[in-house]
Amino acid sequence: DAGITQSPRYKITETGRQVTLMCHQTWSHSYMFWYRQDLGHGLRLIYYSAAADITDKGEVPDGYVVSRSKTENFPLTLESATRSQTSVYFCASSEGGQSTDTQYFGPGTRLTVL
Amino acid sequence: DQQVKQNSPSLSVQEGRISILNCDYTNSMFDYFLWYKKYPAEGPTFLISISSIKDKNEDGRFTVFLNKSAKHLSLHIVPSQPGDSAVYFCAASAESGNTPLVFGKGTRLSVIA
Repeated sequence: DAGITQSPRYKITETGRQVTLMCHQTWSHSYMFWYRQDLGHGLRLIYYSAAADITDKGEVPDGYVVSRSKTENFPLTLESATRSQTSVYFCASSEGGQSTDTQYFGPGTRLTVL
Repeated sequence: DQQVKQNSPSLSVQEGRISILNCDYTNSMFDYFLWYKKYPAEGPTFLISISSIKDKNEDGRFTVFLNKSAKHLSLHIVPSQPGDSAVYFCAASAESGNTPLVFGKGTRLSVIA
């Protein structure tokens, strides 16, 4: 199916473990984004990517690593998960990087770090 | 410091009446503004946008008003329907550059039948 998907949808892990959240889009959009949504903070940008092998930090990048070896995939890795990284994570993609380019969001991954 | 502020965490409106959601911004470089709508367990979806060269943009029941001097925008929904119950995020960016969107904290709208 065309669109943007995230996996897993729910994940429980323990402090110190490595976790990778997957994001896949079928539109061949150039830009992809990772956000986290927390109560009282709204949506905050973690990392974004303008194309394969091009990534850039957002507002809250600490503790996260991204890669983009293929246009359609943009995995987000928490190298050593902390309780403060308990959140809902949204991946998004857009055709271009201008604000007029609509961002299309995935359904989200709810991550709990114990 | 928050650059995009939605000071009302929640709003309750009767079906058929007008819903007004407010958003304030502090960065004078912002010149493009968007509203996203989010249902539970789903990702946000784009609703409507406005460029700073306009003061109003309308799409069906949804209208966004921009007051640049006050650094304020509002989303009007008329008439409100129960299906409009969702969290609404205001977002802003500098259209002239490749600056990422900055989102507000969101306002939860409940439309009561």
